Amino acid sequence: QVHLVESGGGVVQPGGSLRLSCVASGFNFVDYGMHWVRQAPGKGLEWVAFIRFDGTKLYYADSVKGRFTVSRDNAKNTLYLQMSGLRGEDTAMYHCAKDRSGSGDWFDPWGQGTLVAVSS
Amino acid sequence: EIVMTQSPATLSVSPGERATLSCRASQSLSGHLAWYQQKPGQTPRLLIHYTSTRATGIPARFSGSGSGTEFTLTISSLQSEDFAVYYCLQYNDWPYSFGQGTKLEIK
Repeated sequence: QVHLVESGGGVVQPGGSLRLSCVASGFNFVDYGMHWVRQAPGKGLEWVAFIRFDGTKLYYADSVKGRFTVSRDNAKNTLYLQMSGLRGEDTAMYHCAKDRSGSGDWFDPWGQGTLVAVSS
Repeated sequence: EIVMTQSPATLSVSPGERATLSCRASQSLSGHLAWYQQKPGQTPRLLIHYTSTRATGIPARFSGSGSGTEFTLTISSLQSEDFAVYYCLQYNDWPYSFGQGTKLEIK
């Protein structure tokens, strides 16, 4: 059974940095692409980033490009999201999700998420 | 970037009735459209992928249709557990994008 557990969220000042982690279990992590999706409080879903199974292709939403970096450590079954230059509009619950394939497709399931709050 | 537009924003339907939710893309998706359901306090759940394929364990009352830029999620006979927010997702091109959601509420 697929299990995804995010961590690393917290309160950070505008302009600050944070690194989120997502530990995966229950499937062969090395074979699958992974996504980050966020949801601001009371708002809709926003796709954030994707990393191919081997880490060779990365894609980002325009709203985070140049500020966020997705990476993975296949030996540790762990996905990361390095966030810098944080803004108030980055305040959200951040979820990782397993892609159907290695290279980009629909995705499910999702982890429960980790909350990031950007505030002075 | 592909812009996804869902309508209506809120849909009020009585239990047992049919609900029809729409999703429009700013360019053709070649069928790469998924639907997710989100209940309060829960993570989204995949209902439909590739326009019309139900995900594992999804009841037959949920069906998806469409092509090109126009897509529909139909719930044939609403059950109490179906009242939730529904999102469409395009995964035809990067960056992926969601619609803004349709809230399905009890009439």
